[in-house]
Amino acid sequence: NAGVTQTPKFQVLKTGQSMTLQCAQDMNHEYMSWYRQDPGMGLRLIHYSVGAGITDQGEVPNGYNVSRSTTEDFPLRLLSAAPSQTSVYFCASSLTGVNIQYFGAGTRLSVL
Amino acid sequence: AQTVTQSQPEMSVQEAETVTLSCTYDTSESDYYLFWYKQPPSRQMILVIRQEAYKQQNATENRFSVNFQKAAKSFSLKISDSQLGDAAMYFCAYMTGSNYKLTFGKGTLLTVNP
Repeated sequence: NAGVTQTPKFQVLKTGQSMTLQCAQDMNHEYMSWYRQDPGMGLRLIHYSVGAGITDQGEVPNGYNVSRSTTEDFPLRLLSAAPSQTSVYFCASSLTGVNIQYFGAGTRLSVL
Repeated sequence: AQTVTQSQPEMSVQEAETVTLSCTYDTSESDYYLFWYKQPPSRQMILVIRQEAYKQQNATENRFSVNFQKAAKSFSLKISDSQLGDAAMYFCAYMTGSNYKLTFGKGTLLTVNP
């Protein structure tokens, strides 16, 4: 049972480049979410999804897009990377929104 | 907007002793959930303990227990018989039962001294 899998683990981008952070879970969880972690800021919610085809914004959604075409996958897209998006990104999933959230191992992203 | 405050950026404890990490939150909701997560140097986020607001009894998981004071909006974590493996960043988090948005505090870095 792999749990929540994030790829890649590390990524370096140049300003203006685009990329997709992948997140997949094999627990048949309905709820999935993306957070970013910055020093001294804790984790902040970017976007979340309560099921396939349904997404909503979190606390810091600007500069990021998401979609949820399947229950298993919840990719996070950066259309034009900016240095302010340098951060560690975590994906999480839970059976329902109020259940325990299980986190992936994180992706460390640097935008130069 | 809900906020979660952890007033202790860093704490230290001697191995085998007890330490308490503080957390306060601000909300007008009656239906909500509180969590403590642990993040060791590996960066993995691990759930330590969970408390439903409607439950008066404090949650306990082995050496970890909480002191949930609903009226004071306080949710502290007590770690008994501290072990070297408890060294980590600890995050307090809050979620309402209506919008599923998890709000984190800024964290407390716990050092365990041998």
